[in-house]
Amino acid sequence: GDSVTQTEGQVTVSESKSLIINCTYSATSIGYPNLFWYVRYPGEGLQLLLKVITAGQKGSSRGFEATYNKEATSFHLQKASVQESDSAVYYCALSYNQGKLIFGQGTKLSIKP
Amino acid sequence: GPKVLQIPSHQIIDMGQMVTLNCDPVSNHLYFYWYKQILGQQMEFLVNFYNGKVMEKSKLFKDQFSVERPDGSYFTLKIQPTALEDSAVYFCASSLLQDTQYFGPGTRLLVL
Repeated sequence: GDSVTQTEGQVTVSESKSLIINCTYSATSIGYPNLFWYVRYPGEGLQLLLKVITAGQKGSSRGFEATYNKEATSFHLQKASVQESDSAVYYCALSYNQGKLIFGQGTKLSIKP
Repeated sequence: GPKVLQIPSHQIIDMGQMVTLNCDPVSNHLYFYWYKQILGQQMEFLVNFYNGKVMEKSKLFKDQFSVERPDGSYFTLKIQPTALEDSAVYFCASSLLQDTQYFGPGTRLLVL
């Protein structure tokens, strides 16, 4: 079946440094899936950070960006300069026809001052 | 942004009893979802619901589970009877169409 893999359970980055959180997917259903990054800030519910529904396109929000790479089946999340307020758990996810979401394991991002 | 509320935030229950988890979705949304996350594991889809009917359910959605949204009020997940393996955080989500899903903060269920 379809699946999403985030290899790092926890990442620590110094403030103002760059970030990359890896996400790869396996899509066995027909067609290309829609890809998402969701974020959960401490004490809050899960919220959409960005989504890309077309292979080859890049999505961006709040300084984060991710490119839908169908050849590598990847959707890595990047940010050039992180801030303390970016501390959160980040989830990569996919869906077909915007129905049920299939999530990765989540990556907890901690920022070192 | 739009808010989804979940009541209660925590629930402790004895194995074999019934529990109802309540979700107050975004007011004009039409599609509703439940997800389950066991501690240390990934969030997994349980069921989605539209126009009074279950559209799709996963293998995690056991016969003991049921969902309903009577008269446009809360969207509920009922588990009867509960089992130890039902201990998890349950997240509700809603969407206007089958597009961006908005999530609630979760209900942490502990079955003893």
